[in-house]
Amino acid sequence: NAGVTQTPKFQVLKTGQSMTLQCAQDMNHEYMSWYRQDPGMGLRLIHYSVGAGITDQGEVPNGYNVSRSTTEDFPLRLLSAAPSQTSVYFCASSPRDRVWEQYFGPGTRLTVT
Amino acid sequence: AQSVSQHNHHVILSEAASLELGCNYSYGGTVNLFWYVQYPGQHLQLLLKYFSGDPLVKGIKGFEAEFIKSKFSFNLRKPSVQWSDTAEYFCAVKGFGKLSFGAGTTVTVRA
Repeated sequence: NAGVTQTPKFQVLKTGQSMTLQCAQDMNHEYMSWYRQDPGMGLRLIHYSVGAGITDQGEVPNGYNVSRSTTEDFPLRLLSAAPSQTSVYFCASSPRDRVWEQYFGPGTRLTVT
Repeated sequence: AQSVSQHNHHVILSEAASLELGCNYSYGGTVNLFWYVQYPGQHLQLLLKYFSGDPLVKGIKGFEAEFIKSKFSFNLRKPSVQWSDTAEYFCAVKGFGKLSFGAGTTVTVRA
């Protein structure tokens, strides 16, 4: 099993550009989520999904879109990048009834200039 | 909505010192509480969890945490730290089907 994979590992964007961060898992987990990690603020939940076709907002959803067309994939789209979105982004997955057992991906370090 | 507050941003200790990290939560329902650890350059991993029963829970690597319902707290402890405990520690609460994390505490253990 590859676990949770994320691409790219690093990305630099200019303000106003859009892009998609990819996340995939091969453990057949229903629950998937996206977090951003910023110094002094810990992990903040952006969006999450409890299964294919179902998504919901977390604590900081503004400026981000998600979709869940398959169990395996949960891409995060930045619609119009802003410097405030400079962060490290983590994708995670878990069985739906054990969301604490989240398997985290390696992260994507995003810089918006 | 649930929230988690961690009191210490950065803690610096010497080896063999005792560690206690504070965590307070707010959530109106039945709480499930967790501590995660992120070692330098690594992913988050689960340190310990509390669902119900004995309020003193033991986790990996000699860590333990105590759930005090009256204080809405779930503090993490380790009697004697090692240099390898240098990491960032996150408290988390599960509610409304999702996990919410605190801001984290960076622990630096000096040899």
